[in-house]
Amino acid sequence: EPEVTQTPSHQVTQMGQEVILRCVPISNHLYFYWYRQILGQKVEFLVSFYNNEISEKSEIFDDQFSVERPDGSNFTLKIRSTKLEDSAMYFCASSEALPGNTEAFFGQGTRLTVV
Amino acid sequence: GENVEQHPSTLSVQEGDSAVIKCTYSDSASNYFPWYKQELGKGPQLIIDIRSNVGEKKDQRIAVTLNKTAKHFSLHITETQPEDSAVYFCAASISGSARQLTFGSGTQLTVLP
Repeated sequence: EPEVTQTPSHQVTQMGQEVILRCVPISNHLYFYWYRQILGQKVEFLVSFYNNEISEKSEIFDDQFSVERPDGSNFTLKIRSTKLEDSAMYFCASSEALPGNTEAFFGQGTRLTVV
Repeated sequence: GENVEQHPSTLSVQEGDSAVIKCTYSDSASNYFPWYKQELGKGPQLIIDIRSNVGEKKDQRIAVTLNKTAKHFSLHITETQPEDSAVYFCAASISGSARQLTFGSGTQLTVLP
C-alpha cells in the first residue's frame, strides 16, 4: 500500500540552527501539507502546497518557515533559526487533487527537538 | 478561525461495548469532518469522514453523525476490540477537503479485554 514517508524520524538541533524535514508524498498525489503537534497540544495546520506554490498557510507559518518541492518526489519543510518552541512532532501529508477526493494520507512524523 | 473541541480526552470501555467520542466546531462554514486514528509511532490515519450535506455515515463498526444546527459531530464505534485502542482525532475544514484541517485535542481510547 502506498504511504507517505518522512525522514528523519527524530532530529535534535541546537537553538538557532536551520533544519530541513523531508517527506516523500504518495507518487500520484498533487496536494502536500505540513502539520505539527507540540507535545500535549492539538495537531496544527502549517501549510498546504499545490502546483509548486503555497495554497494556504496558517499564522504559525511565518518567515521562519519555508517549503519546497526540489524534485519530483521530495517535499521539504525548512525551519530557519530554530527556537525552543519549535520542538514538536511534524507530520507531512498528501492527497490527490481530484474533485471530491478528500482523504489525506499522513506520514509517521518527524520528532524535532530543539535544545 | 475555526475551533474544534473534543471530549472525552480519555475513554476506557470493555471489549464488545460501544464507544462514543464527541466534537463541536465553531465555524458554520465548515463542511468536511474527518476522523483519524493514531497508533503509537504512526501518523494519523483516516477512518471515516462526513460532509455537511449528510447527517450520518456508517462503515462496518464505525459510524459518524453530524448535527449542523448544533455544530457537533460524533464518532461511534460498536463491538469494540482491543485493536481499536488508539488516539482518535476529529477535525473540521471549510474547504470541503483535507486542506487546512482544524483538529480536536484527541481521545485516548482503551479497550479492555
